Amino acid sequence: QVQLQESGPGLVKPSQTLSLTCTVSGGSITNGDYYWSWIRQPPGKGLEWIGYIYWSGNTYYNPTLQGRSAISIDTSKSQFYLTLSSVTAADTAVYFCARDRDLLHAFDIWGQGTMVTVSS
Amino acid sequence: EIVLTQSPATLSLSPGERATLSCRASRSASTYLAWYQQKPGQAPRLLIYHASKRATGVPARFSGSGSGTDFTLTISSLEPEDFAVYYCQQRNNWPETFGPGTKVEI
Repeated sequence: QVQLQESGPGLVKPSQTLSLTCTVSGGSITNGDYYWSWIRQPPGKGLEWIGYIYWSGNTYYNPTLQGRSAISIDTSKSQFYLTLSSVTAADTAVYFCARDRDLLHAFDIWGQGTMVTVSS
Repeated sequence: EIVLTQSPATLSLSPGERATLSCRASRSASTYLAWYQQKPGQAPRLLIYHASKRATGVPARFSGSGSGTDFTLTISSLEPEDFAVYYCQQRNNWPETFGPGTKVEI
């Protein structure tokens, strides 16, 4: 049973960089059937796709984040990462990592999410 | 980008009743439309993919239909655990986008 678990600081200061890790267990992060995604949800609001990475390192990002996001992967650790630079209060959200199954064109497995607050 | 609109914003129903949720796309999403259920404090759960295919383990009371710009999620007879927020998501055009959600409440 594949599981995803997010980790990282719960508080980030404005203008700094947010960094999160997603650890994949119970399955291979190098399985070519999947992309590995980050999605966020501001408090009381809807979902926003941030981007995803393939095991080879190819990445795709939501242009609404205007180049502030970067996703990387370490297959030896079964982890992928999100960095979001120049954060503001608008980046306060629950951040989810999720498995994107290409065959389904949908996110079939999600982490539990981690709350990140941007505040001084 | 494709904008998804969901209606109604809130649906007030009782257990045993039928729920019909709508998702409308600003441009064609073909059948690359998924539905998710989210309960408070939890991650979303995939219910439907490709507009009408139930994900593994999803009860048969959940069904999806539609193509192009108009999609529907139907819950044939609401169980107490079905009261939640439901989101649609499209994958036909990049970037993939989510709708604002429909809350199904008692």
